[in-house]
Amino acid sequence: DSGVTQTPKHLITATGQRVTLRCSPRSGDLSVYWYQQSLDQGLQFLIQYYNGEERAKGNILERFSAQQFPDLHSELNLSSLELGDSALYFCASSKGTATNTDTQYFGPGTRLTVL
Amino acid sequence: AQTVTQSQPEMSVQEAETVTLSCTYDTSESNYYLFWYKQPPSRQMILVIRQEAYKQQNATENRFSVNFQKAAKSFSLKISDSQLGDTAMYFCAFILSGSARQLTFGSGTQLTVLP
Repeated sequence: DSGVTQTPKHLITATGQRVTLRCSPRSGDLSVYWYQQSLDQGLQFLIQYYNGEERAKGNILERFSAQQFPDLHSELNLSSLELGDSALYFCASSKGTATNTDTQYFGPGTRLTVL
Repeated sequence: AQTVTQSQPEMSVQEAETVTLSCTYDTSESNYYLFWYKQPPSRQMILVIRQEAYKQQNATENRFSVNFQKAAKSFSLKISDSQLGDTAMYFCAFILSGSARQLTFGSGTQLTVLP
């Protein structure tokens, strides 16, 4: 158990809908990262938050957004869902110090299926 | 941009034998970190081992060790005394030193340990 929690484990929805994925980082970690794992694209970085502020953006679609709350949990919002958004979405966390590169620990993932 | 290449999509090894998984990467930077993560059938991403590029000594974690060749940009993972529980997808990952950095993953190697 990495200490990172994600809910829900599975999500099945229809095209055009909106969903919210939730992540709670390890105790003491300030950075949260979101990754998407799909069969055709592999593991791709979406976005990073550090202590409530957006720090880095990767290949995140405009239909997707995220935020990190004062209690450091994070939510990834996916809207106008398409079949191609079906994937495993991982959250990872790290201490996120100003100068060091910290190891990222991953949550169990949320499996999203868009029908 | 950094890239990570895993040229072996699938490998198999007999239980108790030793196997080596290959990974090469491309970067123009000199300060970075390399990781191996494993993803068993449960789909959880589990950290296996971490290597700092500035360290000449190869990292070791129990049965897992790496052969880090910085000049060749090569980072292979050796698993000794393979166990059935080692069956998983193994991902090599790269991250630049400093804050606000995201992992870049290879495409993965599916390792099957045979009884």
